[in-house]
Amino acid sequence: GAGVSQSPRYKVAKRGQDVALRCDPISGHVSLFWYQQALGQGPEFLTYFQNEAQLDKSGLPSDRFFAERPEGSVSTLKIQRTQQEDSAVYLCASFPLKRERTGELFFGEGSRLTVL
Amino acid sequence: GNSVTQMEGPVTLSEEAFLTINCTYTATGYPSLFWYVQYPGEGLQLLLKATKADDKGSNKGFEATYRKETTSFHLEKGSVQVSDSAVYFCALTPSGGYNKLIFGAGTRLAVHP
Repeated sequence: GAGVSQSPRYKVAKRGQDVALRCDPISGHVSLFWYQQALGQGPEFLTYFQNEAQLDKSGLPSDRFFAERPEGSVSTLKIQRTQQEDSAVYLCASFPLKRERTGELFFGEGSRLTVL
Repeated sequence: GNSVTQMEGPVTLSEEAFLTINCTYTATGYPSLFWYVQYPGEGLQLLLKATKADDKGSNKGFEATYRKETTSFHLEKGSVQVSDSAVYFCALTPSGGYNKLIFGAGTRLAVHP
């Protein structure tokens, strides 16, 4: 399809396990965002890429969270030593232009992480 | 800092009722304002936007006006349908910089026949 694709859609992890969440943005989209959405809350910004460069990681909650986009297309969000408070839906969004502040991000359906 | 506050839900209405979902914001400078919608089983999608004071965004019968004097961007629709049932998020992008959206907590709308 032509939209943002995320996998897995659902992930159950035991506390202490590492997880990796994948995002395939829309082809050609320069900008890519990761958001965390806790149950009943709005999405919270985690990190932003422009091509392969991670320009803003101010929202990553701890050094257990790591994101990469090595070739400027697919991105992976990795969470090490998962904790129960990491349970949330992780949203990926992409955008075609570098700095146009239109606000229209294209979101994937999210990866729901449950940490037991 | 920048933040968005929305009225708590759920909001439950009968079909053809009038809808208002309140949204206020705190931001420096001149943010752009947005409403996003999340239908059941789908990803977030942009509903409407306004980029400067007194602008009115509109789409699918929904409207919101950027009120700088009251720092508000309330969402309205004159006659809701069952298909409007969804979660609505108010959001802003701060002045300058890039497309970094800051969201409110969301308001769930349920419309009954």
